[in-house]
Amino acid sequence: EPEVTQTPSHQVTQMGQEVILRCVPISNHLYFYWYRQILGQKVEFLVSFYNNEISEKSEIFDDQFSVERPDGSNFTLKIRSTKLEDSAMYFCASSSRGFAGYTFGSGTRLTVV
Amino acid sequence: RKEVEQDPGPFNVPEGATVAFNCTYSNSASQSFFWYRQDCRKEPKLLMSVYSSGNEDGRFTAQLNRASQYISLLIRDSKLSDSATYLCVVRLSSGNTPLVFGKGTRLSVIA
Repeated sequence: EPEVTQTPSHQVTQMGQEVILRCVPISNHLYFYWYRQILGQKVEFLVSFYNNEISEKSEIFDDQFSVERPDGSNFTLKIRSTKLEDSAMYFCASSSRGFAGYTFGSGTRLTVV
Repeated sequence: RKEVEQDPGPFNVPEGATVAFNCTYSNSASQSFFWYRQDCRKEPKLLMSVYSSGNEDGRFTAQLNRASQYISLLIRDSKLSDSATYLCVVRLSSGNTPLVFGKGTRLSVIA
């Protein structure tokens, strides 16, 4: 069964540092997403990406965040200057159209110290 | 007001029991409805979509009441492997709009 692959599985970083979370979506999917889940909280939408541009973003996705699809296979989330409150599980997802076949990756646990 | 509200549980039930979860959503414009399952520290996985007419998948039955903005999930003949957090999820429209998650209801099935 096709998978969304995320690396690393766990990243520890110091406050103020930049981090890049990487995702390889399912190869024939066209829509890409980042969600996050703070420990004990609900899963929250960050951003959606289609046709090489952001199609929607939440209020969480401020200027500290950016996404990129640099090479046609990877989909990255960059946090420019991490804060303690950025500590969370970050899930990448992809779908072939709109909703159908929405598959989440296994997540990257980001810990900011 | 929370967009998607669920009883957090935990629901502790014996194997073989029937258990029901409920969920309410605040935005009457919501168009699509789902139940996801999330194991501890894992990604959400789609359990089933929820249709207005109600739908069943094996031991799982989902119902939607648009007038009351209420969604339910019924699990029959609970198995140990059903232990997880069940997430109620809505979406404003089809297409590319974001999923809105509830905080989840935790289920523990006990031998």
